Amino acid sequence: EAQVTQNPRYLITVTGKKLTVTCSQNMNHEYMSWYRQDPGLGLRQIYYSMNVEVTDKGDVPEGYKVSRKEKRNFPLILESPSPNQTSLYFCASSSHGEQFFGPGTRLTVL
Amino acid sequence: AQTVTQSQPEMSVQEAETVTLSCTYDTSESDYYLFWYKQPPSRQMILVIRQEAYKQQNATENRFSVNFQKAAKSFSLKISDSQLGDAAMYFCAYRSRREYGNKLVFGAGTILRVKS
Repeated sequence: EAQVTQNPRYLITVTGKKLTVTCSQNMNHEYMSWYRQDPGLGLRQIYYSMNVEVTDKGDVPEGYKVSRKEKRNFPLILESPSPNQTSLYFCASSSHGEQFFGPGTRLTVL
Repeated sequence: AQTVTQSQPEMSVQEAETVTLSCTYDTSESDYYLFWYKQPPSRQMILVIRQEAYKQQNATENRFSVNFQKAAKSFSLKISDSQLGDAAMYFCAYRSRREYGNKLVFGAGTILRVKS
């Protein structure tokens, strides 16, 4: 089954404690992205990747890092999380058409 | 930069009736895609319908159709014969054909409530 998976689905952490949200897709897509969803703001792109070892900033990259060492994986790293990064996070992948979204990760930073 | 505006934070519709969700966007480009996504309480993002800007014909998917007015930069979603399962947050989104990274620009969303 074609899908994008994210882990964990829920995470509560404290300020400053490094965390990684994993994302994996099984569709051999070149493009992968991370979005965050906040009330009244919709979804905004954090980072994207056009292929292995090719990443670039989206609209809200501050406080985040990504890597793309393998085509299927695109982890999101928060090296020192802060409360303003409390949000719902989505990973997405695409070829040149429809974007496929993961199930979302609800992150709370205390 | 492109922007997408959904001016209706919430809408309600009676079951079996028709409802229209509004969306306007701003871009200087002529070649792009527009989308409507549905987000039910499960939070999954589900593509409802897609419109390519170069196509004059409005897209239709079963009970869902759009009214695409390119000159007015308007892209509304019409849901006919509304069902309880249509209750969700609906997002309008824009994607440039030239933008690197396939970035989607989203509106703030409209919560649709369906009354039985």
